[in-house]
Amino acid sequence: NAGVTQTPKFQVLKTGQSMTLQCAQDMNHEYMSWYRQDPGMGLRLIHYSVGAGITDQGEVPNGYNVSRSTTEDFPLRLLSAAPSQTSVYFCASSDLGQTPANEQFFGPGTRLTVL
Amino acid sequence: GQSLEQPSEVTAVEGAIVQINCTYQTSGFYGLSWYQQHDGGAPTFLSYNALDGLEETGRFSSFLSRSDSYGYLLLQELQMKDSASYFCAVKNYGQNFVFGPGTRLSVLP
Repeated sequence: NAGVTQTPKFQVLKTGQSMTLQCAQDMNHEYMSWYRQDPGMGLRLIHYSVGAGITDQGEVPNGYNVSRSTTEDFPLRLLSAAPSQTSVYFCASSDLGQTPANEQFFGPGTRLTVL
Repeated sequence: GQSLEQPSEVTAVEGAIVQINCTYQTSGFYGLSWYQQHDGGAPTFLSYNALDGLEETGRFSSFLSRSDSYGYLLLQELQMKDSASYFCAVKNYGQNFVFGPGTRLSVLP
């Protein structure tokens, strides 16, 4: 199993550009989520999904869109990039209650810089 | 709202024991989790407490007291490779995971 994969690993954008961060998991997990992590800070939830066709907003959703057309994929779209969106983005998945801990498996992250 | 608080930094020497505290304010949650993150890496799951008390996993133990809104991660026999950031997290009843700001642990030789 590849676990959770993210592409690209690094990206530089100019202000106003749009792009999509890709996330895929091969563990058949219902729950997927996107976080951003700024230097010296914890993980802040952007959007999450409890299954295909279902998405919801997290703590910091503004400027981001998501969709969940399949169980495996959960792309994150930046609509019009701003310097404030410079961050490291992590995608994570979980089996949503199959195990009590709801352990989240994280992808390797995408390091995004917006100029 | 929900918030978790952790000390920003902790320093200890190799072979010692260190405790990383987590206090929280939340209306309801399933349990308290701990994650480890090395510099440049992704968070990885360490432990979980659904009920009050101590859970032990090798050199790591985690504790939860819901009445005190408090938990901690205990690391024993510290090794250099334990130098990392440690995050507590709760999963609330809305299926959200909320993470604390993280504690950076430095293990000195």
